[in-house]
Amino acid sequence: DIVMTQSPDSLAVSLGERATINCKSSQSLLYSSNNKNSLAWFQQKPGQPPKVLIYWASTRESGVPDRFSGSGSGTDFTLTISSLQAEDVAVYYCQQYYSGPRTFGQGTKLEIK
Amino acid sequence: QVQLVQSGADVKKPGASVKISCKASGYTFTTYYMHWVRQAPGLGLEWMGWIFPKNGDTNFAQKFQGRVTMTSDTSTTTVYMELSRLTSDDTAVYYCVRENWYYDYWGQGILVTVS
Repeated sequence: DIVMTQSPDSLAVSLGERATINCKSSQSLLYSSNNKNSLAWFQQKPGQPPKVLIYWASTRESGVPDRFSGSGSGTDFTLTISSLQAEDVAVYYCQQYYSGPRTFGQGTKLEIK
Repeated sequence: QVQLVQSGADVKKPGASVKISCKASGYTFTTYYMHWVRQAPGLGLEWMGWIFPKNGDTNFAQKFQGRVTMTSDTSTTTVYMELSRLTSDDTAVYYCVRENWYYDYWGQGILVTVS
């Protein structure tokens, strides 16, 4: 199984500042047939199901604010929130859909400093 | 619009089974894989397996093999997940999730408590 490791486990950022979450996979997620990385980012707020923010590592889901962006390739990926808003407080997960069991990172809890 | 509506919340005794349903609407039911993901209280997301409603093919996480069954009913556009021989470790919110390469739609989640 592909192991997904996020860092940090928790993060406190001031309103309006940048938040960065990292995700590392145990093997490359680059899908050769379309040259895209099979990596998604989810946001989960208490009592709600996860919501997809980013897929193919850098494609923003429709309706997601443009302050959210994804980058990276191969085994190293980053979710960036350019200017933190109060409603962004949540737990963020990365997930690979490259092959086999759909594995998730352990989650990063994002709070306001 | 795409909707996944789950039902089957319950409190179960250890050793019992639970069957959760997930009714899909707003898209062609047989075209997409449906996955099941669970989340124990305060913990992360755990993939359980998938079913392809078009032909009933399934694939399960190794830790659930022999204990999980996933079925689909194309006439009612509903998928089912049944987990047997429950223990307290199975206390979790269970989600059905549509896969369109990535997970684009989630059910609301169903809490199963084993006590």
